[in-house]
Amino acid sequence: KQEVTQIPAALSVPEGENLVLNCSFTDSAIYNLQWFRQDPGKGLTSLLLIQSSQREQTSGRLNASLDKSSGRSTLYIAASQPGDSATYLCAVIPNTGFQKLVFGTGTRLLVSP
Amino acid sequence: GAVVSQHPSRVICKSGTSVKIECRSLDFQATTMFWYRQFPKKSLMLMATSNEGSKATYEQGVEKDKFLINHASLTLSTLTVTSAHPEDSSFYICSASIDRSELFFGSGTQLSVL
Repeated sequence: KQEVTQIPAALSVPEGENLVLNCSFTDSAIYNLQWFRQDPGKGLTSLLLIQSSQREQTSGRLNASLDKSSGRSTLYIAASQPGDSATYLCAVIPNTGFQKLVFGTGTRLLVSP
Repeated sequence: GAVVSQHPSRVICKSGTSVKIECRSLDFQATTMFWYRQFPKKSLMLMATSNEGSKATYEQGVEKDKFLINHASLTLSTLTVTSAHPEDSSFYICSASIDRSELFFGSGTQLSVL
């Protein structure tokens, strides 16, 4: 059974810092991995999608990497801003359960002005 | 990205009533939609997979008669919480996929049962 863990569970940083969020998964047989952002009481916003054959994806200040063999993905946020404060979730689609995303436990990020 | 619209965003109801939540794919057709439940400060839990024109597939432990799912068209799936009770209070989110890879989520519905 696929298990997805995110470290740290919570993170508080001053504005301007670069930071890294970690996601690990137990079964490397994944179809793809997706990073989401969730604001309190809101739905999920897709940030980056990494196909299993890819090693990284970039969008603006965000960069996500994927190392399937070691079961790890990282989300790098450059020059953090208060507006980045949210919960970040990673999710994997296993090869066996085609569209059944398995979500990580989430990282709650707070960026202080 | 694609847009998934979910309504209502918030509903408060009395115990014993039924509540319907709608999930629409606005600019694409979705043969499959997914319904999730989220408790405070917890991650999302898949409840069921909604298939257009056929019965939904429920995850283990999810009561089919409590959470009725209808996917009557390629752009609309509904979740009805029947005879709601306080323990059903939660945040419900739907999602849909265009090409069976990337998922797009609705904005969620906060259900509070008094």
